[in-house]
Amino acid sequence: DQQVKQNSPSLSVQEGRISILNCDYTNSMFDYFLWYKKYPAEGPTFLISISSIKDKNEDGRFTVFLNKSAKHLSLHIVPSQPGDSAVYFCAASALVNNDMRFGAGTRLTVKP
Amino acid sequence: EADIYQTPRYLVIGTGKKITLECSQTMGHDKMYWYQQDPGMELHLIHYSYGVNSTEKGDLSSESTVSRIRTEHFPLTLESARPSHTSQYLCASSESGGYQPQHFGDGTRLSIL
Repeated sequence: DQQVKQNSPSLSVQEGRISILNCDYTNSMFDYFLWYKKYPAEGPTFLISISSIKDKNEDGRFTVFLNKSAKHLSLHIVPSQPGDSAVYFCAASALVNNDMRFGAGTRLTVKP
Repeated sequence: EADIYQTPRYLVIGTGKKITLECSQTMGHDKMYWYQQDPGMELHLIHYSYGVNSTEKGDLSSESTVSRIRTEHFPLTLESARPSHTSQYLCASSESGGYQPQHFGDGTRLSIL
């Protein structure tokens, strides 16, 4: 039962353009959402998060949007840089049990 | 920057061997986790701990066991490795209380021949 889904296994964008990574979830108990970035041969690195009381959180070039009614979140990277090329994992958890679920990841390639 | 370390990084070993994957963190986090990940798939929680002497099984059935004798140390043991155990194993830790991100080590890539 996959509760967090990233339906696009890969995404390719041009340097300087916007990258939009999407994530859908099914469990309405989730109230904390995160994005992780993973380079080859390294562990996932925490990137940005958002709690369910907000619909947007921004950190530099990275912005996460949350649409609770659609059970959808997205990560926007503007402008995209070649160093952003990595696999991005969406994750969600519920404060009540801290059970964190991950999506299967989206491989982002930013072309110079 | 998270300080969580996993050893070995890579391990190729024969069937039937006993294996211990090490995980240590220097952040004083109470919560620690073990995940298993296959290429192109989501991370699956196999074990977690909320503190010393606390261990629980995750949602993915695993033949491994864990122990938490010290806050900083959360080793995972396979008593008799099988080819089906071939995977990447990721250790993570987090602070307690409220919304806290998990911080990951670089993982152990395990191959059982």
